[in-house]
Amino acid sequence: AQSVSQHNHHVILSEAASLELGCNYSYGGTVNLFWYVQYPGQHLQLLLKYFSGDPLVKGIKGFEAEFIKSKFSFNLRKPSVQWSDTAEYFCAVDSGGGADGLTFGKGTHLIIQP
Amino acid sequence: DGGITQSPKYLFRKEGQNVTLSCEQNLNHDAMYWYRQDPGQGLRLIYYSQIVNDFQKGDIAEGYSVSREKKESFPLTVTSAQKNPTAFYLCASGDRGIDTQYFGPGTRLTVL
Repeated sequence: AQSVSQHNHHVILSEAASLELGCNYSYGGTVNLFWYVQYPGQHLQLLLKYFSGDPLVKGIKGFEAEFIKSKFSFNLRKPSVQWSDTAEYFCAVDSGGGADGLTFGKGTHLIIQP
Repeated sequence: DGGITQSPKYLFRKEGQNVTLSCEQNLNHDAMYWYRQDPGQGLRLIYYSQIVNDFQKGDIAEGYSVSREKKESFPLTVTSAQKNPTAFYLCASGDRGIDTQYFGPGTRLTVL
């Protein structure tokens, strides 16, 4: 069974700081990769996704992620965070072509201090 | 207004009772999923269904059951066999072969 590892469970940053959240997965074949975000009191929503093509993908709210196949990584980045980015972030992997659900990491709780 | 609805938002049950969580979607998606979210554990897949009248066990199916009689609905029953049922339950849907899943607001189940 594949697994997804998120390196940091809790991250605290000040506004305007740069952000990078790590994500590594274990599956060696073709994968689809996702970052989801859960703002306080809101639905889990898609931040960005990678299926194929350009390994640098851009998502909503200024987030981007880079797929590095050789490192089995899909790290999330944002150059300048805002207080409203406070949320829980989940990396997820699909290795079944959409057939059998996603494997999620344990999440990173991000707190942005004003 | 398209989306996924889950009801109720909060649910309290006594130990030993079965309880059914509702999930409805009007996105015309073929596939539906149930996940369980525990603090510090991320989301774990309980059951999924790619088509009406068919469903598959996920990683943590023991103590749960589902049905898929209609495309729009995928109810989850938490049975008394589930040893640690208190959790936040999320339903999702998506198109078969297209991997983005869309999530409902969740149901927080507390077993007393």
